[in-house]
Amino acid sequence: GAGVSQSPSNKVTEKGKDVELRCDPISGHTALYWYRQSLGQGLEFLIYFQGNSAPDKSGLPSDRFSAERTGGSVSTLTIQRTQQEDSAVYLCASSLSRGTTEAFFGQGTRLTVV
Amino acid sequence: GESVGLHLPTLSVQEGDNSIINCAYSNSASDYFIWYKQESGKGPQFIIDIRSNMDKRQGQRVTVLLNKTVKHLSLQIAATQPGDSAVYFCAENYGSGNTGKLIFGQGTTLQVKP
Repeated sequence: GAGVSQSPSNKVTEKGKDVELRCDPISGHTALYWYRQSLGQGLEFLIYFQGNSAPDKSGLPSDRFSAERTGGSVSTLTIQRTQQEDSAVYLCASSLSRGTTEAFFGQGTRLTVV
Repeated sequence: GESVGLHLPTLSVQEGDNSIINCAYSNSASDYFIWYKQESGKGPQFIIDIRSNMDKRQGQRVTVLLNKTVKHLSLQIAATQPGDSAVYFCAENYGSGNTGKLIFGQGTTLQVKP
């Protein structure tokens, strides 16, 4: 596609349920990032993938959070046993290479845990 | 820690005036910096970037200045327009080169008064 696509755009879930958020990066981009943005806050780094290298998971806030990237393309961020503090906008970005080039962002998934 | 901070959370300027948004970064080894603009309900959009071997870079109506001595970054917007109203984030390639990852600051809200 022309840009980074995320789905769903909005997700409301009950506390304790698991959720999956999807990101389709720009074709050919080897680096993929996940960030979390709480209301009125900056972008909190969660995880990123670069090609076939082991992902950098240093930003994941707890073991309830995990992410996969299949075939070097689509990525799924999974949050297990959701808590109210997980409510935020989850943003995905991709770039040609990590750290040294512009990252292009999707529109985000707004997650609300009730 | 891994943080990029902004000096002012909100900046209010008159239409037509110049705007200056400041950013302090923490990692002296960071070698690449980006400014992003985020409008309400959208993902961040690239504005301009600069590498550590430069101290100034100009774009269309925007200029980024880098002072590595004091680890300070600024974004200057000339002749600010109502469409410039948004939250502005700086980001650094924390760690340098291909080992780094993009870390974002808290953001500055720019309000343009007509």
